[in-house]
Amino acid sequence: AQKITQTQPGMFVQEKEAVTLDCTYDTSDQSYGLFWYKQPSSGEMIFLIYQGSYDEQNATEGRYSLNFQKARKSANLVISASQLGDSAMYFCAMREAWAQGGSEKLVFGKGMKLTVNP
Amino acid sequence: GAGVSQSPSNKVTEKGKDVELRCDPISGHTALYWYRQSLGQGLEFLIYFQGNSAPDKSGLPSDRFSAERTGGSVSTLTIQRTQQEDSAVYLCASSTGRTKNIQYFGAGTRLSVL
Repeated sequence: AQKITQTQPGMFVQEKEAVTLDCTYDTSDQSYGLFWYKQPSSGEMIFLIYQGSYDEQNATEGRYSLNFQKARKSANLVISASQLGDSAMYFCAMREAWAQGGSEKLVFGKGMKLTVNP
Repeated sequence: GAGVSQSPSNKVTEKGKDVELRCDPISGHTALYWYRQSLGQGLEFLIYFQGNSAPDKSGLPSDRFSAERTGGSVSTLTIQRTQQEDSAVYLCASSTGRTKNIQYFGAGTRLSVL
């Protein structure tokens, strides 16, 4: 079963507008972490924002915020005031709880391509 | 400070040859991860190191793949007898292993097997 689902293959947004990128996840763990990464055409994965499953407040990092709806198992990324440099692939990822000493690997969604138009 | 460094950035090899990919993590990061990104499979986990030991090797696709980490720092991913399906971008990440344990990625090595 797919653990991270990003259903939007691509989105277009006008510069300075806000945009929401969707992510739903599937886990039976109570403790987990959710991440968003940006991958521009240069290829490097850039960390944007983190949300812990027990965090009561939605995470914010500058122009990025995470709309965390635990009951719906969704973790949508909101980018306010889009900039041309925001054009990139965006990946949602999850880290599940693991036994002590075990892995903390990330499971990624398939990603979605955001294009910001001037 | 310096980020995660990977070398080479690009590698072209012939089918059947062995290749070594190198990852230099952020100084002080105890955890190190290898992932593979390909068009058909997306981003896949390969192996996780905590210090020099690898408690999770579950993502290595075959016994042609191996990795080691020495001195709790640099890691090398080795692919023996490369196949065309090994062509992908190999990404390395490192983290502190504490609290949020955010993984920071290098720019990757693009491997092309002819």
